[in-house]
Amino acid sequence: TQLLEQSPQFLSIQEGENLTVYCNSSSVFSSLQWYRQEPGEGPVLLVTVVTGGEVKKLKRLTFQFGDARKDSSLHITAAQTGDTGLYLCAPRSGAGSYQLTFGKGTKLSVIP
Amino acid sequence: NAGVTQTPKFRVLKTGQSMTLLCAQDMNHEYMYWYRQDPGMGLRLIHYSVGEGTTAKGEVPDGYNVSRLKKQNFLLGLESAAPSQTSVYFCASSGPGREYFGPGTRLTVT
Repeated sequence: TQLLEQSPQFLSIQEGENLTVYCNSSSVFSSLQWYRQEPGEGPVLLVTVVTGGEVKKLKRLTFQFGDARKDSSLHITAAQTGDTGLYLCAPRSGAGSYQLTFGKGTKLSVIP
Repeated sequence: NAGVTQTPKFRVLKTGQSMTLLCAQDMNHEYMYWYRQDPGMGLRLIHYSVGEGTTAKGEVPDGYNVSRLKKQNFLLGLESAAPSQTSVYFCASSGPGREYFGPGTRLTVT
């Protein structure tokens, strides 16, 4: 059974600050996805990382996949109130894997 | 193109009552999923389907049944609701490289 941990569980920061959230596992993954979920809505895909060591940037968001493909991080630069939400990581185990397993998420609040 | 839609958006049931949640997608996706989301527990997979006429159990299937009679629809049934099934239910369909989620159904069982 894979263990998937996201940290921190909660994070409250001032607008303009930087932050990093983490997704760690005991298993190796073929790829990993990050989703953001706003209150009252379903999760929305932000990015998929596939290669160990890969770094992807989406405006102020930087995603990194660990070299061993067991962990990932999401860094937000100069957070804005619109970044508020639940950030979920979802690794995939391999080809033919139909089931997407989600971490419990990091709940981010950006205070004006 | 509506994406993934769910009905109803809210529902209150009494213990022992039954109901069906409907999920519809207009993207011609083969794979569809039902998740529940509880505080501190993240999203947990209930059942999923890899095509019309097929269903499979996920992580927490007990107390739920599903049907996929048409490719575009995935139904989640509760035959005898229990307070432990109070949750927010999300449906998703899977396209190339990503999942698309519906807006959720908030269910309360009293």
